[in-house]
Amino acid sequence: DTEVTQTPKHLVMGMTNKKSLKCEQHMGHRAMYWYKQKAKKPPELMFVYSYEKLSINESVPSRFSPECPNSSLLNLHLHALQPEDSALYLCASSPSGGGAGNTIYFGEGSWLTVV
Amino acid sequence: EDQVTQSPEALRLQEGESSSLNCSYTVSGLRGLFWYRQDPGKGPEFLFTLYSAGEEKEKERLKATLTKKESFLHITAPKPEDSATYLCAVQHGGTGFQKLVFGTGTRLLVSP
Repeated sequence: DTEVTQTPKHLVMGMTNKKSLKCEQHMGHRAMYWYKQKAKKPPELMFVYSYEKLSINESVPSRFSPECPNSSLLNLHLHALQPEDSALYLCASSPSGGGAGNTIYFGEGSWLTVV
Repeated sequence: EDQVTQSPEALRLQEGESSSLNCSYTVSGLRGLFWYRQDPGKGPEFLFTLYSAGEEKEKERLKATLTKKESFLHITAPKPEDSATYLCAVQHGGTGFQKLVFGTGTRLLVSP
């Protein structure tokens, strides 16, 4: 069983709604990630937090806003999304921000549908 | 340009019919090659990390190997529950340890 927990598992939202995806890990990992995955495609990196600081933003539109309240929690705030943003959103974590052995572990994902 | 290519795209096997999946890569300064298994509608499940050419790792019916240009995931006597998409990903010197460059995956179907 994955030790990266994501809620909710499914979310349907309108284009004018504001919602949040939440992620939690208790493995003591210091790097946390958000990925987006469309059907039959590999995951695409969105954001990386390393030691609770945003270290990578892959030019993601501002309607996606990440937040890392502490080393165990990661949120993704959603506002004014488009139907093409519908996808599986994956949270992940890894032991550290760098160095060999930085295996990245994924959660089960949150299915987002924008209507 | 960094590339990770997986083949075949899809593979159908009979239960017990062993085979191999391929992941070839052209990156500079490989720091790690990762295999994941992904079931439909779920997140990728970590299987193996390989760091250097010649390295091998095993887990139940799966064995991963690494050369300087490619990795193989060998599946011995597969069972229907091995059906999934298998993803290969690399970390390399150009992108650091926080970025994974993924291949497009191999969809494996094992029939009873």
